[in-house]
Amino acid sequence: GIQVEQSPPDLILQEGANSTLRCNFSDSVNNLQWFHQNPWGQLINLFYIPSGTKQNGRLSATTVATERYSLLYISSSQTTDSGVYFCAVEMDGGADGLTFGKGTHLIIQP
Amino acid sequence: GAGVSQSPRYKVTKRGQDVALRCDPISGHVSLYWYRQALGQGPEFLTYFNYEAQQDKSGLPNDRFSAERPEGSISTLTIQRTEQRDSAMYRCASSLGWRVPLDEQYFGPGTRLTVT
Repeated sequence: GIQVEQSPPDLILQEGANSTLRCNFSDSVNNLQWFHQNPWGQLINLFYIPSGTKQNGRLSATTVATERYSLLYISSSQTTDSGVYFCAVEMDGGADGLTFGKGTHLIIQP
Repeated sequence: GAGVSQSPRYKVTKRGQDVALRCDPISGHVSLYWYRQALGQGPEFLTYFNYEAQQDKSGLPNDRFSAERPEGSISTLTIQRTEQRDSAMYRCASSLGWRVPLDEQYFGPGTRLTVT
């Protein structure tokens, strides 16, 4: 099946810092989503981005499908950004379930 | 509008008992998915439905796991003769489905299952 690798696995930053999270995938995809799992365990949708660039406030994401990677940018980090960020993909022509990476655990310190 | 809901939110059961986990998708969503998430890991796909038809159950770990969605709305994931290794967060998601241009999946809060 498709492989999804996220980096870095852990990241500790001070409030106000910027960060870039990366997601590499091993095959063509027709769906790519970024999620934030908050400290209460909820999975919150950030972006649906199989290709191109999107922005939502302090967050933006870029997927380069031909090179099989996606980037999530977080600017001016706040403590509420802490949690685990997951990239998930659905393989082109495959089953319709998402394959998740192991996540990036982000801690924003005040 | 209301998001995906799941019940119960927490379930503690003894080894060998059967459990039924319920998922109520977003109204109008055709596709419904079940995932299992172990501590410290990302969710792992189990199975999914379009309307009432189960499309893919390749992710179900073994034949103790089954799922149904008889009227194309609410779904139940049943685990028979539970074992301690079944302890995990069980998540449900739904989407508009049918290869619409924006087939984004939305997740419920999950059911935390603990088998003692």
